Order: sequence, then C-alpha cells, then structure tokens
Amino acid sequence: QITLKESGPTLVKPTQTLTLTCSFSGFALSTSGVGVGWIRQPPGKALEWLALIYWNDDKRYSPFLKSRLTITKDTSKNQVVLTMTNMDPVDTATYYCGGVIITTTFDYWGQGTLVTVSS
Amino acid sequence: QSALTQPRSVSGSPGQSVTISCTGTSSDVGAYNYVSWYQQHPGKAPKLMIYDVSLRPSGVPDRFSGSKSGNTASLTISGLQAEDEADYYCCSYAGGYTSWVFGGGTKLTVL
Repeated sequence: QITLKESGPTLVKPTQTLTLTCSFSGFALSTSGVGVGWIRQPPGKALEWLALIYWNDDKRYSPFLKSRLTITKDTSKNQVVLTMTNMDPVDTATYYCGGVIITTTFDYWGQGTLVTVSS
Repeated sequence: QSALTQPRSVSGSPGQSVTISCTGTSSDVGAYNYVSWYQQHPGKAPKLMIYDVSLRPSGVPDRFSGSKSGNTASLTISGLQAEDEADYYCCSYAGGYTSWVFGGGTKLTVL
C-alpha cells in the first residue's frame, strides 16, 4: 500500500523559512522513474506545482518560485523535504506531496497540510 | 497565475455527458502527451482520473475519458452521477525545468 504524509508547522511568520517533510511508504525513491514532488493550493484557489525530485536526484522547480525553494531526499528514511524561504501571507495554502510512482504524473497524494503565514 | 485555461464551471444532469476543456500552448499541452486530470472533492486531496491524455488508472470508471487536439485537452464524463460533482484540474508536462503546470480548475455541478 502506497501512502504519503506531509508534516511541518501549521503557522509561520512572514520572512521565516518553511520546512515541510513528506514521509512515504510502499515504494522506494531509489527505483528508476520514481519521483516525489510538492503542490500547493491556496484556500479556494487552484493547484500550483512547486518542485519535484526524481530517483536519480534530478530536481525540478517552478520557475516562479525557484529562488525560494529547495527540495531534497533521504532515501534511507523514505522522506522528501521542501524548504521555502522568505514566507509571505500569500503563501498561505494547503501543501501536498505527490508521488510519480506508477504513471508519468502525480498518481499518489498525501492528505495535505495547511500552512498559514501570519504575524 | 495558472498556465492552463479551463472553464470556471460546467454543469449537467444525471445521466448526461459533460466535457471540460483545458487549453495550453505549443510548449506544454501541444508538445507532450503527458496531460492528466484530477478530481478533487471539498476538503480532500486530488485524485488522478486520467493520465497520458487518455489512460485511466486502475479503479477509475470508464465513464471518464480524455483526449487532446493541438493545444487543447478535454475530459469527458459520460453518464453523470451525483458523486461526480467536484472540482477538476488538468495538468500538463511542460518540459525542461518548468516541468509541470496546472489549470485553474473547473467546478462541475450535477443538477
């Protein structure tokens, strides 16, 4: 059974750095073709892709947020970590991690975690 | 802003068919056969319904179908059921380091 779960702070202050962890099971990030990424969704708004890391450590970032994002993986712990610097209230959103596992797109998703940016 | 354009809302009666469009560019939808569609119920995570333009993951009813022509992809839901009422998002691979782009979402109402 494949599962992903996001964890991290629910509240961050403006200018702070957000660190989110995606813990997963049921697949290995060392398997060829597999990737884990992050997608966010502001309240009442659309999905926005943020970043993706592949089994071979190939990293992709949204060009709109690239300067603020870093994605890393710890294959031994089955975790992927996303950091986003200089948080702003407009970054308030539910942050999802998603796996590119069976298909060519995000086929498995975590439940999401709501992050609020406020002083 | 969203890179792919979807209608904000569509509606249909039970048993009818509806089609949701997703318009991109020659750099994303038109360039790759990696268009996917997601269904999202309120308060829930998105669920993959279609990938690679027209393929269905295991467990997705064959009432859901996908297609693409040029820079526009489409999701068709036939035999509408009450539980199909949800938000639907398209997503396309865009190559290089841009990688993935989502649409703005379409709210489907089953009348």
